[in-house]
Amino acid sequence: NAGVTQTPKFQVLKTGQSMTLQCAQDMNHEYMSWYRQDPGMGLRLIHYSVGAGITDQGEVPNGYNVSRSTTEDFPLRLLSAAPSQTSVYFCASSYSSYDSGNTIYFGEGSWLTVV
Amino acid sequence: AQSVTQPDIHITVSEGASLELRCNYSYGATPYLFWYVQSPGQGLQLLLKYFSGDTLVQGIKGFEAEFKRSQSSFNLRKPSVHWSDAAEYFCAVDVFGNEKLTFGTGTRLTIIP
Repeated sequence: NAGVTQTPKFQVLKTGQSMTLQCAQDMNHEYMSWYRQDPGMGLRLIHYSVGAGITDQGEVPNGYNVSRSTTEDFPLRLLSAAPSQTSVYFCASSYSSYDSGNTIYFGEGSWLTVV
Repeated sequence: AQSVTQPDIHITVSEGASLELRCNYSYGATPYLFWYVQSPGQGLQLLLKYFSGDTLVQGIKGFEAEFKRSQSSFNLRKPSVHWSDAAEYFCAVDVFGNEKLTFGTGTRLTIIP
């Protein structure tokens, strides 16, 4: 998935710890978002940003924080990790054009286990 | 509630056989429609999307999908599957054109020799 880079790929946390999942894109896309993927539930939107300095909540925002200081970066912070946050996290960036509509690219995912 | 339905959790087909994965959505207007594929331990790769115009959309890896407005469906097809097509397939919609996706729960495809 060229252009969207997520780190780390794997992480184990203890309950109550905090951490940040990093996401960077080099395609100069205004729109970025975070999803989580859980078995049998597909992907669900956590937070999104339509540009630097602008963020908003998605479907499942509780327990997560985001900021967007630059166009390129959109980190996701877990404030106090809980076992329910064990999941695979995907960052996405996208653009919209009159000719082709919306095109959304995903990173390779971050596997997070909270014990 | 607005939703995307992939009724088949798991499908098994023989290598060389044809494939159809189903996707239905429950929105009043015509959304942007997408199919993504995810190999084990990997991210999501865009196979194809419907934006407007021709309702038969061609994608990568020999896949195509047909948008049927009357049935609110966007089924994915491939005439002859290869062992490398084994993966999980997700249908997704962007209802308002605001780049926020709602996903189906996915269909896992197994290929047998």
